[in-house]
Amino acid sequence: GQNIDQPTEMTATEGAIVQINCTYQTSGFNGLFWYQQHAGEAPTFLSYNVLDGLEEKGRFSSFLSRSKGYSYLLLKELQMKDSASYLCAVPHGNKLIFGAGTRLAVHP
Amino acid sequence: EAGVTQSPTHLIKTRGQQATLRCSPISGHTSVYWYQQALGLGLQFLLWYDEGEERNRGNFPPRFSGRQFPNYSSELNVNALELEDSALYLCASSPGPRQPQHFGDGTRLSIL
Repeated sequence: GQNIDQPTEMTATEGAIVQINCTYQTSGFNGLFWYQQHAGEAPTFLSYNVLDGLEEKGRFSSFLSRSKGYSYLLLKELQMKDSASYLCAVPHGNKLIFGAGTRLAVHP
Repeated sequence: EAGVTQSPTHLIKTRGQQATLRCSPISGHTSVYWYQQALGLGLQFLLWYDEGEERNRGNFPPRFSGRQFPNYSSELNVNALELEDSALYLCASSPGPRQPQHFGDGTRLSIL
């Protein structure tokens, strides 16, 4: 089966850096997705990692280690608008399995 | 480019009724996915349609069903509504399997 673990909540200060971890157990690996979801809104796609290593996209970077079943999302220069839930998800067969999400609160 | 559109935005029903939710994917996307997000819970996979066929379904009872039309738009039907069906129903589309999914704004279904 599939199992995805993320911290439930995190807090950080505006301007700082935060790392949101995700560990997964999956039979067969076909990449890992990160999504951002603001309260009451739909998730928006952030990144997709298939190979090991760090992929940078502006203030957001995503890292993957397939051997460790581990990924993280790194957010730099935090802004208040980054307060949201961050979901990691892995494909399983023909569906996407989401973690419960990490609620990030950014404060001044 | 228009994103995924869902209608209606809100839907209020009573127990035992039937609900129909609609989704139009991004142009060129053939895969449509339906998810349920109950309050305080994560996204739960419901159904996946591709090229007009149901390809996979999540762990939901048969009263959750749907279809995909030749233009790739999709409907989700929920029969014999129960109180616990109250949730945000999200539709996503992708160019194909295992490609990034792009979500609509969702339909909030409330069962009274």
